[in-house]
Amino acid sequence: GAVVSQHPSWVICKSGTSVKIECRSLDFQATTMFWYRQFPKQSLMLMATSNEGSKATYEQGVEKDKFLINHASLTLSTLTVTSAHPEDSSFYICSAPAAGVYEQYFGPGTRLTVT
Amino acid sequence: KNEVEQSPQNLTAQEGEFITINCSYSVGISALHWLQQHPGGGIVSLFMLSSGKKKHGRLIATINIQEKHSSLHITASHPRDSAVYICAVPGSARQLTFGSGTQLTVLP
Repeated sequence: GAVVSQHPSWVICKSGTSVKIECRSLDFQATTMFWYRQFPKQSLMLMATSNEGSKATYEQGVEKDKFLINHASLTLSTLTVTSAHPEDSSFYICSAPAAGVYEQYFGPGTRLTVT
Repeated sequence: KNEVEQSPQNLTAQEGEFITINCSYSVGISALHWLQQHPGGGIVSLFMLSSGKKKHGRLIATINIQEKHSSLHITASHPRDSAVYICAVPGSARQLTFGSGTQLTVLP
């Protein structure tokens, strides 16, 4: 089946620094990718929709200036957490729907810890 | 927005038991996903179904579109089945709304 990769799988950074997370579709093109986050003991929540060639759309309550999304190509979307704070520590997952069907493919996730 | 509810939240079973996890949602959908999340966090897609029933090994998923309800069954459960099971429904733009998950623990 289709594969989506994420990099890095885990990262620890200091408060105030920025972290970039990459999401790649390895064997299919994805004009849309979704970014979700999961706080401990909570369910996954949609943060934003990444659109190739246009601006990302953000869910209510997600700061677009803090979580920068760039859909650079049909196989790559990046999420940059700027000026990270400890409360940004979370598990971030991307997914990409396959064109024409209802299938979605998930990246393995990135665990971010901000100290 | 679609409200997705799962039950139970936690489930402990003995090895070999038959397990059922339920998912209900509030807005009609075209398909529903069942996902498995292991302690490290990684998500594995188990099923995507739009009607009836699907089977993969010891896992069976059913959906009743009219009643807005789906179930995930595990036959002959095994400790390696221990994980969080999550149902998710797509919105109009295919973004997913997730249930809160069911933590399954299968004891040897």
